[in-house]
Amino acid sequence: DAGVIQSPRHEVTEMGQEVTLRCKPISGHDYLFWYRQTMMRGLELLIYFNNNVPIDDSGMPEDRFSAKMPNASFSTLKIQPSEPRDSAVYFCASSLVPLTGELFFGEGSRLTVL
Amino acid sequence: GQQVMQIPQYQHVQEGEDFTTYCNSSTTLSNIQWYKQRPGGHPVFLIQLVKSGEVKKQKRLTFQFGEAKKNSSLHITATQTTDVGTYFCACRNSNSGYALNFGKGTSLLVTP
Repeated sequence: DAGVIQSPRHEVTEMGQEVTLRCKPISGHDYLFWYRQTMMRGLELLIYFNNNVPIDDSGMPEDRFSAKMPNASFSTLKIQPSEPRDSAVYFCASSLVPLTGELFFGEGSRLTVL
Repeated sequence: GQQVMQIPQYQHVQEGEDFTTYCNSSTTLSNIQWYKQRPGGHPVFLIQLVKSGEVKKQKRLTFQFGEAKKNSSLHITATQTTDVGTYFCACRNSNSGYALNFGKGTSLLVTP
């Protein structure tokens, strides 16, 4: 299996621009998670989906952030408009239930907002 | 949701020395997971502990789950430079049912 695939790996943009991060989970995994990692706040859960349905989005910072999962093999995290404080590494992870429940992380998308 | 605290935040050891990181919760945990993240990499699952007092070993790594299921530890015997990275513990968020909350991690540096 190719694992969780994220794109882009790196994104540098200017404040106010729209950013779209993409994720392809492992085939057959029912759960998909979006995390954000910064030095100050560590790994924060933003939102997660079960069978393409958002279950908990309480970690989404504000209305500028939105996430969708139109089908079982694709999810997006969008930031509009982006701000410098959004600079972080964004990880997507997927999990197969009800086995071990471990998360399989993608390699992350490093976002820099100037 | 349930939160876990990890100590220490950083640890610098000489190769061959032992290393331990601790994970503590104010509430009882149903289970706990450990992940390792190499510099510039992504978190990779190491193990899950479920039972009170459980001890699991993976080569030089020993994982423990406390009797009260409120704390856990990861011990590495005779560290190697390949052990460099950040070690995270993570627990389920009881409010959400399935999401994992991660501790801040312990960053391990091993010098030859």
